[in-house]
Amino acid sequence: GENVEQHPSTLSVQEGDSAVIKCTYSDSASNYFPWYKQELGKGPQLIIDIRSNVGEKKDQRIAVTLNKTAKHFSLHITETQPEDSAVYFCAAPNRDDKIIFGKGTRLHILP
Amino acid sequence: DTEVTQTPKHLVMGMTNKKSLKCEQHMGHRAMYWYKQKAKKPPELMFVYSYEKLSINESVPSRFSPECPNSSLLNLHLHALQPEDSALYLCASSQEGRGGNTEAFFGQGTRLTVV
Repeated sequence: GENVEQHPSTLSVQEGDSAVIKCTYSDSASNYFPWYKQELGKGPQLIIDIRSNVGEKKDQRIAVTLNKTAKHFSLHITETQPEDSAVYFCAAPNRDDKIIFGKGTRLHILP
Repeated sequence: DTEVTQTPKHLVMGMTNKKSLKCEQHMGHRAMYWYKQKAKKPPELMFVYSYEKLSINESVPSRFSPECPNSSLLNLHLHALQPEDSALYLCASSQEGRGGNTEAFFGQGTRLTVV
């Protein structure tokens, strides 16, 4: 079945620096890759997604890149701010069209 | 409006109680989901409703019983739960499908504690 590996599990960056979270997937048929941000006590919030017909997508300080050949995709957050502190999940669909989440990355923005 | 509303936000119940979790969306989405999330873990899919019909049951114990009264509402009926069922229960919705290939929107969850 589909397997989504996410790294690192914890990431601390200085405020203003960039953060990068990486995911790999196993099913070459996967074609939709969302990223979710989950703050403490809240549900996951979709922050950006990418489909397999593009290699990069950007929304203000957040960008996602996709390498279909290597089967990996990454979340890039630039000019990090305290409110970026949260748990981030990548995801990909399996062949049954069910979403499979990575294990999550806890991002700490240091003052 | 991209909101999925879940009630209650918190619930404490005994192992012999019967309770229900409720979820509502008004985005016209035709697929709705229940997920269970334990601390420091990703959400785990429990049930998927597509066009008000149960399309996926991830081998969830029968003490969890989903119901979709109409396209905007999703309930999860709880009976005879165990302490290990304590978790954050998340509802989500998407335009259609099984959630893998379209944007899914999550509610804030119900924090359930079974005592």
